[in-house]
Amino acid sequence: QVQLVESGGGLVQPGRSLRLSCAASGFTFSRSTMHWVRQAPGKGLEWVALTSYDGTNTHYADSVKGRLTISRDNSKNTLYLQMNSLRPEDTAIYYCARDRGMGGYYFDYWGQGTLAIVSS
Amino acid sequence: DIQMTQSPSSVSASVGDRVTITCRASQGITTWLAWYQQKPGKAPKFLIYAASSLQSGVPSRFSGRGSGTDFTLIISSLQPEDFATYYCQQAGSFPPTFGQGTKLEIK
Repeated sequence: QVQLVESGGGLVQPGRSLRLSCAASGFTFSRSTMHWVRQAPGKGLEWVALTSYDGTNTHYADSVKGRLTISRDNSKNTLYLQMNSLRPEDTAIYYCARDRGMGGYYFDYWGQGTLAIVSS
Repeated sequence: DIQMTQSPSSVSASVGDRVTITCRASQGITTWLAWYQQKPGKAPKFLIYAASSLQSGVPSRFSGRGSGTDFTLIISSLQPEDFATYYCQQAGSFPPTFGQGTKLEIK
């Protein structure tokens, strides 16, 4: 069965960095476009970034462009989100999600999420 | 970016009721629309894609309709496990965007 397990969240000061990971299993990771989606406490869902199956194409929400970087290691079945120059408004649960892969941006499987808190 | 607006923001209903949630896109998206269910402390669950196609394993009491700018999620006979927050999401235009959510509560 498809499983996505995020890790790496925690409390970090504004301006500092954090790296999130998402370990994938139960499907052919190297053939799947992958996404990060976040949810601020008590708020709705916000798409953050995507990477193509091979990592050659990446795209970002304007709110994170230049500060967050999505990457993947297909040899380790792992997705990453490098978060630099963090701001309090980046505080959120970060979910990795698999793209359904048949056109459009559909998120058919999600991890349980990892919480990043940006605060002094 | 395409804005997605859901109504109502919250709704109270009883087990066995029929519930309709509406989602409106700020511009036409044909049928590039998904619905997700989220329970407290849990990740969203993928319910419907292409506006009306049920994801495998989702109960048939869930259905979706619409095209262009106006869409609906219908739960035909509410079950206790259906009380959750529901989100629509447009899937056809970059960046993908979500509605603000509709909280379905027990009356």
